[in-house]
Amino acid sequence: AQSVTQLGSHVSVSEGALVLLRCNYSSSVPPYLFWYVQYPNQGLQLLLKYTSAATLVKGINGFEAEFKKSETSFHLTKPSAHMSDAAEYFCAVTSNTGNQFYFGTGTSLTVIP
Amino acid sequence: GAVVSQHPSWVICKSGTSVKIECRSLDFQATTMFWYRQFPKQSLMLMATSNEGSKATYEQGVEKDKFLINHASLTLSTLTVTSAHPEDSSFYICSVRDRRQETQYFGPGTRLLVL
Repeated sequence: AQSVTQLGSHVSVSEGALVLLRCNYSSSVPPYLFWYVQYPNQGLQLLLKYTSAATLVKGINGFEAEFKKSETSFHLTKPSAHMSDAAEYFCAVTSNTGNQFYFGTGTSLTVIP
Repeated sequence: GAVVSQHPSWVICKSGTSVKIECRSLDFQATTMFWYRQFPKQSLMLMATSNEGSKATYEQGVEKDKFLINHASLTLSTLTVTSAHPEDSSFYICSVRDRRQETQYFGPGTRLLVL
């Protein structure tokens, strides 16, 4: 079975501050992990993904995430928050043999000017 | 990356009518597409897996006779909400699986409001 847990349904940071969105996964097989961003009334946009290559993954818009097997984590970070980063962020897990993506409950990021 | 389109982007209908939502894969042929539903402030819930040329696979609790899925070609899947009721009001999102990149790409979503 696979699942992800996103700690913190709401995160607020000041503009220019570090962004840290947490995701922990559970998987009985080697996981593929993803972060998606959703802006209001829009679909999901892929930020980055981990598929068993480098454990530190760089994505779009300055975001990156590190796969830590020992901690079963895949936290999303960005050194300096921008106002345009305000959105809903979803972590997801799947396997290389599975079709289904399992999504976390999402984290709403607010950036304070 | 892959581009997925949905049509319409939003629709308002009366209770009891049927609504068809289209999902198109614009960049590559997709044998598998997925349909999700998202309620406000909640995560995505997988409704069904649409398989080209065969019957869709529905998740537990999703009524297949109410949510009809047709995947008639490698680039088009449709979701028809039959006899829609206010509780069907939601944001419906489709996705396409790119096996080469081991990723799902999502459409922009269709917001359905049933009065």
